[in-house]
Amino acid sequence: QQQVKQSPQSLIVQKGGISIINCAYENTAFDYFPWYQQFPGKGPALLIAIRPDVSEKKEGRFTISFNKSAKQFSLHIMDSQPGDSATYFCAASSGIYTDKLIFGTGTRLQVFP
Amino acid sequence: EADIYQTPRYLVIGTGKKITLECSQTMGHDKMYWYQQDPGMELHLIHYSYGVNSTEKGDLSSESTVSRIRTEHFPLTLESARPSHTSQYLCASSETGLNSPLHFGNGTRLTVT
Repeated sequence: QQQVKQSPQSLIVQKGGISIINCAYENTAFDYFPWYQQFPGKGPALLIAIRPDVSEKKEGRFTISFNKSAKQFSLHIMDSQPGDSATYFCAASSGIYTDKLIFGTGTRLQVFP
Repeated sequence: EADIYQTPRYLVIGTGKKITLECSQTMGHDKMYWYQQDPGMELHLIHYSYGVNSTEKGDLSSESTVSRIRTEHFPLTLESARPSHTSQYLCASSETGLNSPLHFGNGTRLTVT
């Protein structure tokens, strides 16, 4: 049973555009929501993370928006660049076990010049 | 630059063979993990360790076994490989604190023929 649903599976964006990836969850105990970025041939790396006490977190061109009532969170990449082309995974965990992550299925982002 | 190393990078092996996937980290992290990743699918936690001589099974049932004799070393073993074990295996480590990110290796892509 998939606990974190991620969409879309793939995304093509032109350089300078906005990339939006969405995730939804069912378990209301989840209280830590990181996003990981994975380049081909590499392991995933933490990009940005949020806790439900805030509705938005921004780091540079990357923003997480969080909607607790809808049990949804999304990643927005502003001014998308070809170097952002990668697979993005949302994840969630609960309580003190922030390392016991439940991952989404990933979104392959391609940014064309 | 990776501080967590996985070898081999690729492995093609016949059914029934015993294999060991190596994982080492130089960051002194107590926590280490093994994830299984199939194309287009989420990462699944198969084993984790919170310190020397401590190992636990993850959410996804796996026929593999792990050991943690030294802090920096967390090998994964398959006693008898089968085609169903074909996958990418990712090793990760993290610090002990809350919200500590997972640091992933570049993975071992295993193909069992």
